[in-house]
Amino acid sequence: EPEVTQTPSHQVTQMGQEVILRCVPISNHLYFYWYRQILGQKVEFLVSFYNNEISEKSEIFDDQFSVERPDGSNFTLKIRSTKLEDSAMYFCASSRRIAGTDLEQYFGPGTRLTVT
Amino acid sequence: GQQLNQSPQSMFIQEGEDVSMNCTSSSIFNTWLWYKQDPGEGPVLLIALYKAGELTSNGRLTAQFGITRKDSFLNISASIPSDVGIYFCAGYTNAGGTSYGKLTFGQGTILTVHP
Repeated sequence: EPEVTQTPSHQVTQMGQEVILRCVPISNHLYFYWYRQILGQKVEFLVSFYNNEISEKSEIFDDQFSVERPDGSNFTLKIRSTKLEDSAMYFCASSRRIAGTDLEQYFGPGTRLTVT
Repeated sequence: GQQLNQSPQSMFIQEGEDVSMNCTSSSIFNTWLWYKQDPGEGPVLLIALYKAGELTSNGRLTAQFGITRKDSFLNISASIPSDVGIYFCAGYTNAGGTSYGKLTFGQGTILTVHP
């Protein structure tokens, strides 16, 4: 069964450093997402991406964040200058559609980001 | 912003018991999804609901999309130890064509099953 994959599983970085989190969405999906989950809290939407453009972003997704689909399979989240409060699990998700039915979002296993 | 209130926050049950949890919102959602999350892993999709009043089953799981489109519940029948985990409801609304896949999550229900 196809699944979303993410690398690395755990990333430790120093405050102020840049990190890139990588995802390979399910191959026939067209819509891609990043969410984050601070330890013990609910999952929060960051950004959605379609046709090489950001479709929607939350207030969390400020100028330090960016997303890219550098090739036909990868989808990346870059955090330019990490802060302590960026420590969280980051989940990538993908879906085939965003309207009607068949818009189930499938999540990857996550990348645990620890900023020290 | 939109908020989903999920209850109960946690449940401790005996193996074999049935479980019910629900999600409510002050605003309408067009789609409800239920996910299960094990520690350190990503949410796994359990059930998707698309129509008000819809009742959908997936094995021992049954979920319903409330008539008002502001609530949903998930039932688990005859619980087993591997049902342990955190269950999240998530809602999606395409209000006026301005929302592009943003899922709003509830706070989660932590389920513990005693053998």
